[in-house]
Amino acid sequence: GNSVTQMEGPVTLSEEAFLTINCTYTATGYPSLFWYVQYPGEGLQLLLKATKADDKGSNKGFEATYRKETTSFHLEKGSVQVSDSAVYFCALSDNYGQNFVFGPGTRLSVLP
Amino acid sequence: SAVISQKPSRDICQRGTSLTIQCQVDSQVTMMFWYRQQPGQSLTLIATANQGSEATYESGFVIDKFPISRPNLTFSTLTVSNMSPEDSSIYLCSVGTGFEQYFGPGTRLTVT
Repeated sequence: GNSVTQMEGPVTLSEEAFLTINCTYTATGYPSLFWYVQYPGEGLQLLLKATKADDKGSNKGFEATYRKETTSFHLEKGSVQVSDSAVYFCALSDNYGQNFVFGPGTRLSVLP
Repeated sequence: SAVISQKPSRDICQRGTSLTIQCQVDSQVTMMFWYRQQPGQSLTLIATANQGSEATYESGFVIDKFPISRPNLTFSTLTVSNMSPEDSSIYLCSVGTGFEQYFGPGTRLTVT
């Protein structure tokens, strides 16, 4: 079945540092890929998405590119802020936008 | 996108009792989902609730323990029955629109 693997956390960075959170997936067909963010005490928010190979999703300074050749969807941000401290989940859905699978989550802490 | 609200936002319940969680969406949607997020963990799908049909439960979840109602296209409830401390989790509802899922803020349940 489909699966998502993320780098283990927690990740601790200083403000303005560069962020990469690795995500790789296993799926049949043509999945859509997502990053969700969960701030403390809240539900999940859709951060960005990509629906086909080579698509780049971007939002709030975060970017991720759908790499079919490496089955990856790594999340990047050039300069993190304290307010980016949260748990980040990589996820995929199948060809039909169903059967979502979530990665284990990566906790990010940004220190001032 | 969709705006989703959940009630209650949190509760502390006694062992052996039941709690019903409500999920309200600001637009009509066909597919609604209920997830459980145990402390420090990722999301686990409990069931899919489509209006006009019985909920479809994932492996390890049964209707007697987690009965679900879906009376219309904007509302659903999840009941956690005969609770034990192992049921202490965040319960999240989500809706599927196109190729995306949007989440409510979650209900934080503690069972003592």
